[in-house]
Amino acid sequence: AQRVTQPEKLLSVFKGAPVELKCNYSYSGSPELFWYVQYSRQRLQLLLRHISRESIKGFTADLNKGETSFHLKKPFAQEEDSAMYYCALKAGGYNKLIFGAGTRLAVHP
Amino acid sequence: DTGVSQDPRHKITKRGQNVTFRCDPISEHNRLYWYRQTLGQGPEFLTYFQNEAQLEKSRLLSDRFSAERPKGSFSTLEIQRTEQGDSAMYLCASSFRVGQGTNTEAFFGQGTRLTVV
Repeated sequence: AQRVTQPEKLLSVFKGAPVELKCNYSYSGSPELFWYVQYSRQRLQLLLRHISRESIKGFTADLNKGETSFHLKKPFAQEEDSAMYYCALKAGGYNKLIFGAGTRLAVHP
Repeated sequence: DTGVSQDPRHKITKRGQNVTFRCDPISEHNRLYWYRQTLGQGPEFLTYFQNEAQLEKSRLLSDRFSAERPKGSFSTLEIQRTEQGDSAMYLCASSFRVGQGTNTEAFFGQGTRLTVV
Protein backbone atom coordinates (compact mmCIF):
# COMPACT_ATOMS: atom_id res chain seq x y z
CA ALA A 1 0.00 0.00 0.00
CA GLN A 2 1.11 3.55 -0.70
CA ARG A 3 1.14 5.53 2.50
CA VAL A 4 2.82 8.50 4.16
CA THR A 5 2.95 8.71 7.93
CA GLN A 6 3.74 11.80 9.96
CA PRO A 7 3.60 10.62 13.56
CA GLU A 8 3.53 14.03 15.21
CA LYS A 9 0.52 16.32 14.90
CA LEU A 10 2.28 19.13 16.76
CA LEU A 11 5.91 19.95 17.32
CA SER A 12 6.58 22.83 19.68
CA VAL A 13 10.08 24.28 20.05
CA PHE A 14 11.81 27.46 21.12
CA LYS A 15 13.54 29.79 18.68
CA GLY A 16 17.07 28.62 17.98
CA ALA A 17 16.36 24.99 18.85
CA PRO A 18 16.91 22.19 16.30
CA VAL A 19 13.86 20.82 14.54
CA GLU A 20 13.15 17.41 13.04
CA LEU A 21 9.78 16.66 11.49
CA LYS A 22 9.38 12.97 10.89
CA CYS A 23 8.03 11.33 7.76
CA ASN A 24 7.87 7.64 6.91
CA TYR A 25 6.54 6.20 3.69
CA SER A 26 5.40 2.94 2.19
CA TYR A 27 5.85 2.53 -1.58
CA SER A 28 6.77 -0.43 -3.74
CA GLY A 29 8.52 1.50 -6.48
CA SER A 30 11.27 4.09 -6.55
CA PRO A 31 9.95 6.87 -4.32
CA GLU A 32 9.93 10.56 -5.07
CA LEU A 33 9.27 12.58 -1.94
CA PHE A 34 8.44 16.18 -1.17
CA TRP A 35 7.86 18.48 1.74
CA TYR A 36 5.06 21.03 1.35
CA VAL A 37 4.47 23.91 3.75
CA GLN A 38 1.39 25.97 4.49
CA TYR A 39 1.88 29.23 6.36
CA SER A 40 -1.07 30.81 8.11
CA ARG A 41 -3.74 31.91 5.58
CA GLN A 42 -1.56 31.01 2.63
CA ARG A 43 -1.78 28.28 0.06
CA LEU A 44 0.10 25.02 0.15
CA GLN A 45 3.52 25.43 -1.44
CA LEU A 46 6.48 23.22 -2.20
CA LEU A 47 9.34 23.52 0.28
CA LEU A 48 11.74 20.97 -1.11
CA ARG A 49 11.97 17.69 -3.01
CA HIS A 50 14.44 14.91 -2.40
CA ILE A 51 15.77 14.74 -5.94
CA SER A 52 16.99 18.33 -5.71
CA ARG A 53 19.09 17.65 -2.62
CA GLU A 54 18.92 21.34 -1.78
CA SER A 55 18.50 23.40 1.35
CA ILE A 56 15.56 25.78 1.39
CA LYS A 57 15.15 28.33 4.19
CA GLY A 58 17.71 26.30 6.13
CA PHE A 59 15.68 23.09 5.88
CA THR A 60 17.11 19.86 4.53
CA ALA A 61 15.67 16.38 4.08
CA ASP A 62 17.46 13.17 3.20
CA LEU A 63 15.76 10.16 1.72
CA ASN A 64 16.66 7.01 3.67
CA LYS A 65 15.41 4.05 1.65
CA GLY A 66 16.52 1.55 4.28
CA GLU A 67 14.37 3.19 6.94
CA THR A 68 11.78 4.41 4.40
CA SER A 69 12.05 7.87 5.90
CA PHE A 70 12.31 11.44 4.66
CA HIS A 71 12.65 13.53 7.80
CA LEU A 72 12.81 17.33 7.56
CA LYS A 73 15.50 19.03 9.61
CA LYS A 74 16.63 22.51 10.50
CA PRO A 75 19.45 23.21 12.94
CA PHE A 76 18.09 26.49 14.33
CA ALA A 77 14.35 27.15 14.17
CA GLN A 78 13.01 30.65 13.56
CA GLU A 79 9.61 32.04 14.54
CA GLU A 80 8.74 32.47 10.86
CA ASP A 81 9.07 28.70 10.42
CA SER A 82 5.81 28.24 12.32
CA ALA A 83 3.48 26.56 9.83
CA MET A 84 1.85 23.30 8.83
CA TYR A 85 4.24 20.89 7.13
CA TYR A 86 3.13 18.02 4.90
CA CYS A 87 5.26 15.19 3.61
CA ALA A 88 4.12 13.87 0.23
CA LEU A 89 4.91 10.89 -1.98
CA LYS A 90 4.56 11.06 -5.76
CA ALA A 91 2.56 8.02 -6.79
CA GLY A 92 2.35 8.41 -10.54
CA GLY A 93 4.14 9.78 -13.57
CA TYR A 94 2.40 13.07 -12.96
CA ASN A 95 1.80 14.93 -9.71
CA LYS A 96 -0.52 12.47 -8.03
CA LEU A 97 0.62 13.08 -4.49
CA ILE A 98 -0.09 11.07 -1.38
CA PHE A 99 0.12 13.35 1.63
CA GLY A 100 0.70 12.65 5.27
CA ALA A 101 -1.66 14.12 7.85
CA GLY A 102 0.73 16.99 8.51
CA THR A 103 2.70 18.30 11.46
CA ARG A 104 2.12 21.72 12.90
CA LEU A 105 5.42 23.35 13.86
CA ALA A 106 5.16 26.06 16.49
CA VAL A 107 8.31 28.04 17.18
CA HIS A 108 8.12 30.12 20.33
CA PRO A 109 10.21 33.21 21.08
CA ASP B 1 -1.75 36.94 -8.08
CA THR B 2 -1.03 34.85 -11.17
CA GLY B 3 -1.21 31.50 -9.45
CA VAL B 4 -3.97 28.92 -9.41
CA SER B 5 -7.27 30.55 -8.54
CA GLN B 6 -10.39 28.91 -7.18
CA ASP B 7 -13.92 30.19 -6.90
CA PRO B 8 -15.76 30.48 -4.62
CA ARG B 9 -13.49 30.55 -1.59
CA HIS B 10 -16.32 29.49 0.70
CA LYS B 11 -19.61 27.76 0.05
CA ILE B 12 -22.35 26.88 2.52
CA THR B 13 -25.10 24.70 1.17
CA LYS B 14 -28.00 22.67 2.45
CA ARG B 15 -27.84 18.92 2.32
CA GLY B 16 -29.21 17.61 -0.95
CA GLN B 17 -28.29 20.66 -3.01
CA ASN B 18 -25.84 20.64 -5.91
CA VAL B 19 -22.68 22.73 -5.87
CA THR B 20 -20.09 23.57 -8.48
CA PHE B 21 -16.58 24.85 -7.96
CA ARG B 22 -14.26 26.40 -10.49
CA CYS B 23 -10.49 26.23 -10.83
CA ASP B 24 -8.35 28.36 -13.12
CA PRO B 25 -4.85 26.87 -13.39
CA ILE B 26 -1.66 28.72 -14.23
CA SER B 27 -2.13 29.57 -17.88
CA GLU B 28 0.48 27.37 -19.54
CA HIS B 29 -0.08 24.38 -17.26
CA ASN B 30 -1.48 21.35 -19.09
CA ARG B 31 -2.03 19.19 -16.00
CA LEU B 32 -4.72 19.86 -13.43
CA TYR B 33 -5.56 18.04 -10.21
CA TRP B 34 -8.33 18.10 -7.65
CA TYR B 35 -7.71 17.18 -4.03
CA ARG B 36 -9.95 17.11 -0.97
CA GLN B 37 -8.78 17.93 2.54
CA THR B 38 -10.76 17.24 5.68
CA LEU B 39 -9.97 18.57 9.13
CA GLY B 40 -6.77 17.17 10.57
CA GLN B 41 -5.80 15.34 7.41
CA GLY B 42 -3.56 16.00 4.46
CA PRO B 43 -4.97 16.53 0.98
CA GLU B 44 -6.35 13.42 -0.73
CA PHE B 45 -6.15 12.99 -4.50
CA LEU B 46 -9.48 13.03 -6.32
CA THR B 47 -8.79 13.32 -10.03
CA TYR B 48 -6.31 14.39 -12.71
CA PHE B 49 -6.58 15.97 -16.14
CA GLN B 50 -4.03 16.24 -18.86
CA ASN B 51 -5.34 18.97 -21.13
CA GLU B 52 -9.06 18.15 -21.46
CA ALA B 53 -8.71 14.41 -20.83
CA GLN B 54 -9.57 13.09 -17.38
CA LEU B 55 -6.95 10.38 -16.98
CA GLU B 56 -7.45 9.19 -13.43
CA LYS B 57 -10.23 9.23 -10.85
CA SER B 58 -9.85 8.18 -7.24
CA ARG B 59 -12.27 5.75 -5.62
CA LEU B 60 -13.05 8.70 -3.34
CA LEU B 61 -14.86 10.29 -6.28
CA SER B 62 -18.32 8.79 -5.94
CA ASP B 63 -20.97 8.93 -8.66
CA ARG B 64 -22.22 12.19 -7.15
CA PHE B 65 -18.96 13.89 -8.11
CA SER B 66 -18.09 14.95 -11.63
CA ALA B 67 -15.19 16.99 -12.89
CA GLU B 68 -14.66 18.54 -16.29
CA ARG B 69 -12.02 20.50 -18.11
CA PRO B 70 -13.76 21.14 -21.40
CA LYS B 71 -11.18 23.22 -23.24
CA GLY B 72 -8.10 22.15 -21.38
CA SER B 73 -8.02 25.37 -19.42
CA PHE B 74 -10.30 25.92 -16.40
CA SER B 75 -11.94 23.02 -14.62
CA THR B 76 -15.16 22.54 -12.68
CA LEU B 77 -15.96 20.10 -9.92
CA GLU B 78 -19.64 19.42 -9.31
CA ILE B 79 -21.11 17.62 -6.34
CA GLN B 80 -24.70 16.50 -6.67
CA ARG B 81 -27.03 15.83 -3.74
CA THR B 82 -24.50 17.02 -1.20
CA GLU B 83 -24.11 15.18 2.09
CA GLN B 84 -22.65 16.38 5.35
CA GLY B 85 -19.65 14.14 4.77
CA ASP B 86 -18.79 16.23 1.72
CA SER B 87 -17.83 19.14 3.97
CA ALA B 88 -14.15 19.72 3.30
CA MET B 89 -11.63 21.98 1.63
CA TYR B 90 -11.44 21.27 -2.10
CA LEU B 91 -8.03 22.08 -3.54
CA CYS B 92 -7.03 22.49 -7.14
CA ALA B 93 -3.45 22.24 -8.37
CA SER B 94 -1.75 22.51 -11.72
CA SER B 95 1.58 21.60 -13.25
CA PHE B 96 3.28 21.56 -16.62
CA ARG B 97 4.48 18.45 -18.40
CA VAL B 98 7.83 19.47 -19.81
CA GLY B 99 8.59 16.23 -21.57
CA GLN B 100 8.64 12.47 -21.16
CA GLY B 101 8.73 11.80 -17.44
CA THR B 102 9.44 15.42 -16.58
CA ASN B 103 6.97 17.57 -14.74
CA THR B 104 7.12 20.87 -12.89
CA GLU B 105 6.02 20.90 -9.28
CA ALA B 106 2.32 21.12 -8.50
CA PHE B 107 1.11 24.62 -7.66
CA PHE B 108 -1.93 24.75 -5.42
CA GLY B 109 -4.83 27.14 -5.24
CA GLN B 110 -6.19 28.49 -1.98
CA GLY B 111 -9.08 26.09 -2.04
CA THR B 112 -12.86 26.19 -1.76
CA ARG B 113 -14.19 25.43 1.70
CA LEU B 114 -17.51 23.60 1.49
CA THR B 115 -19.84 23.36 4.46
CA VAL B 116 -22.93 21.21 4.10
CA VAL B 117 -25.59 21.95 6.72
